[in-house]
Parts: sequence; C-alpha cells; structure tokens
Amino acid sequence: DAKTTQPPSMDCAEGRAANLPCNHSTISGNEYVYWYRQIHSQGPQYIIHGLKNNETNEMASLIITEDRKSSTLILPHATLRDTAVYYCTLYNFNKFYFGSGTKLNVKP
Amino acid sequence: KAGVTQTPRYLIKTRGQQVTLSCSPISGHRSVSWYQQTPGQGLQFLFEYFSETQRNKGNFPGRFSGRQFSNSRSEMNVSTLELGDSALYLCASSLVGASGNTIYFGEGSWLTVV
Repeated sequence: DAKTTQPPSMDCAEGRAANLPCNHSTISGNEYVYWYRQIHSQGPQYIIHGLKNNETNEMASLIITEDRKSSTLILPHATLRDTAVYYCTLYNFNKFYFGSGTKLNVKP
Repeated sequence: KAGVTQTPRYLIKTRGQQVTLSCSPISGHRSVSWYQQTPGQGLQFLFEYFSETQRNKGNFPGRFSGRQFSNSRSEMNVSTLELGDSALYLCASSLVGASGNTIYFGEGSWLTVV
C-alpha cells in the first residue's frame, strides 16, 4: 500500500545538484513527507521531513508543491558517498508507507 | 547522543526455531516501531509501540509479535521460523511517534533462516 511514486533510478555528476522527485497525489492533510536514504546493508538514514513549507537542513532541501501532491529532495553538491537508495515516504497512523525508492548513482 | 541500537546484528536460525530481536531507542524516545525489509517486498511495517502499548500492527501472521518495556526498549519475536522470514529487521524510534516527529532507524538485525 505504498503511497508514493519515485523513478527507479537516476544519475548525477559529482559536484552537481541532485534533484530527486516524488509523487504523493493521495496525501492527506496531516501526513508529513519524509526522506531517507539507505546504503546497502545499513539502516535507513534520516534526511529531512516536512508538511507543506519548504525545509532545509545541513544535508538537503525539501521542496513541497503548494497542492502537496509532489515533492523534490535536493542534494546541493552530490558526492560519491551520496550514492544510495532514496526513499520518499509518508507517515500516518504511527507508520511509514514505503515505496520502492530511487537508486541515485553519483558518477565522477 | 547514542542512536537506535539493535541486537544482534546478524544471526542464523533453522526453520521451526524462534528468534528474539532487541531494540534500544534513542534516550527519551517512547515510540518504537519495527519494519521488515526483503528484496521482494521492500520495507513493510510490522508494529508500533508507545508506552508499552501496541498502537498499530501491520499485515503479518501471528507468528510475529512484539513488546515494549517500561524503559521503552522493545523486543520482537518470530516463532516457528520459515525460510521466507529471512530479512533485515529494522527498528525505528521517535519521541512520541506522531507525524512530524523526527524518526530514526537503527542499523537492523540480519536474520537468515536455513
């Protein structure tokens, strides 16, 4: 019952910005959008989350459209260590609804 | 500040056996949730606990159970193990499990059933 849709893979050149899109057209009013990334065999690493305003922290920026039906995670200067699977997920009723994520390949 | 700690990190069990996995949340966090991750099914929600009460449960058979202690530490148990239970089991913790809380995952417990 995944509620988000992401492209299966994306490439990005090292040093450039990585923009990862996510569609969540059925999002409800109290559901936050969370982003995590997972490097093989490790637990998901928290990146950022937001409700309707754009958010920024030391790792990334989160842009949520006004209708909240989609969002974009921006890694401003991608490095090789940013190669991972990125999950956009919604949280409600005390649980995450995970989709398949986007495999981001950062290339030199 | 210590993160979410899961033990053991790796274990191998035989079909029919049972297993107990442990999760220590971040200090001060009272909500603990569990997820199963497999290559075929991805990340699937198992259950969530807050103040020793299960508040939500995923669509898993009764062989999967959990509990939370008064210090917020949590355990999950899988009885009568099947080959398909081989997976990465992840624990996540947050202050109260409310939408908007920052939620952190542990490194997981890798279970292999042979």
